[in-house]
Amino acid sequence: GAVVSQHPSWVICKSGTSVKIECRSLDFQATTMFWYRQFPKQSLMLMATSNEGSKATYEQGVEKDKFLINHASLTLSTLTVTSAHPEDSSFYICSARAQRGENEQFFGPGTRLTVL
Amino acid sequence: GNSVTQMEGPVTLSEEAFLTINCTYTATGYPSLFWYVQYPGEGLQLLLKATKADDKGSNKGFEATYRKETTSFHLEKGSVQVSDSAVYFCALSDGASGGSYIPTFGRGTSLIVHP
Repeated sequence: GAVVSQHPSWVICKSGTSVKIECRSLDFQATTMFWYRQFPKQSLMLMATSNEGSKATYEQGVEKDKFLINHASLTLSTLTVTSAHPEDSSFYICSARAQRGENEQFFGPGTRLTVL
Repeated sequence: GNSVTQMEGPVTLSEEAFLTINCTYTATGYPSLFWYVQYPGEGLQLLLKATKADDKGSNKGFEATYRKETTSFHLEKGSVQVSDSAVYFCALSDGASGGSYIPTFGRGTSLIVHP
């Protein structure tokens, strides 16, 4: 099956610094990638949808200047948490879809971000 | 809009017990339905799916049948193992919103299986 990787798997940073999380589709080209945030014991909250070569579409309530998303190639999307604060600590999960209109997404293993 | 409702957990069972996790949905179109499993500290893995009414998805002993008349997609397994302990998410995805196919997830149900 299709494989999606994320790097790093976990990161600890100081308040005020920026953190970049990478999401890669390893064996397929992803026209669309999605970024989710998951709080403990809760469901996934969709943050944004990114299509290769275009600006990301952010969900309501998600600050686009704080969560910068770049989808520069068909196999790589990055999420940068700028000026991170403790309330940004969470589990961030990306997923990728091979073709527009396709129903199935393939999920990465997630990145645990802890901001001190 | 679309929504997915799952039974609240945790569901606690003994090994070899029968499992049912209820899931009902509301959708404007004709969605595909999914069950995902999340093991501790990991991302989501697709467990099974069904794309149309009366389809049965199955994998690793788990089954779920797409019931349009009751708008349900209940997950079942005849004999659970300790290794099945995880959080299970029911989800739907359809193209009603201009073909976006962005999935809607339930809140997740935690399953704990004791030896």
